[in-house]
Amino acid sequence: GAVVSQHPSRVICKSGTSVKIECRSLDFQATTMFWYRQFPKQSLMLMATSNEGSKATYEQGVEKDKFLINHASLTLSTLTVTSAHPEDSSFYICSASRGGGTQETQYFGPGTRLLVL
Amino acid sequence: TQLLEQSPQFLSIQEGENLTVYCNSSSVFSSLQWYRQEPGEGPVLLVTVVTGGEVKKLKRLTFQFGDARKDSSLHITAAQPGDTGLYLCFGTGGSYIPTFGRGTSLIVHP
Repeated sequence: GAVVSQHPSRVICKSGTSVKIECRSLDFQATTMFWYRQFPKQSLMLMATSNEGSKATYEQGVEKDKFLINHASLTLSTLTVTSAHPEDSSFYICSASRGGGTQETQYFGPGTRLLVL
Repeated sequence: TQLLEQSPQFLSIQEGENLTVYCNSSSVFSSLQWYRQEPGEGPVLLVTVVTGGEVKKLKRLTFQFGDARKDSSLHITAAQPGDTGLYLCFGTGGSYIPTFGRGTSLIVHP
């Protein structure tokens, strides 16, 4: 199977600070990685799609300067929440796929719980 | 408008009951996946269906893909408390971004 890890699993930070979340594909090379946000008892909402070596594509309503995404290698993507505020508190989940097509299977990480005080 | 309409949104049943979750769309999907997610964890893939009319069984779970590949259902027979969780359908294919349904939160009471 394909394993995706996320680090940290949960983080608490003060308002105004920045938080970096890592997403790693452990046993395969991920051409494309996806970042989702999920509020309690709701579905996952796609924030952005990133391809290795290129700029991320953000969904409508997602601030690219607020949520910085870097996909520097085929096994690592990072999401940095800059100047975090309490409303950024959420469950952030990444997924990774081997190919870049829309039909590729996505393998999901375990998620990162962010709490901004 | 959500690409994938999933229903019901919430389901609270007693152990031993049967249930069906539906996922519908006006668009055709190349494939559709069902996930189960527990609180504080990422979604776990249950099944992928790719062929119109396909039926797949996973123990007490039966997944069906519509003939036109626009809809899918998940049926659970004799639900157990361990089936409690958020069930999500996820459609891929075509020129649109893969998308999740809104999810069905299932609680099975002992």
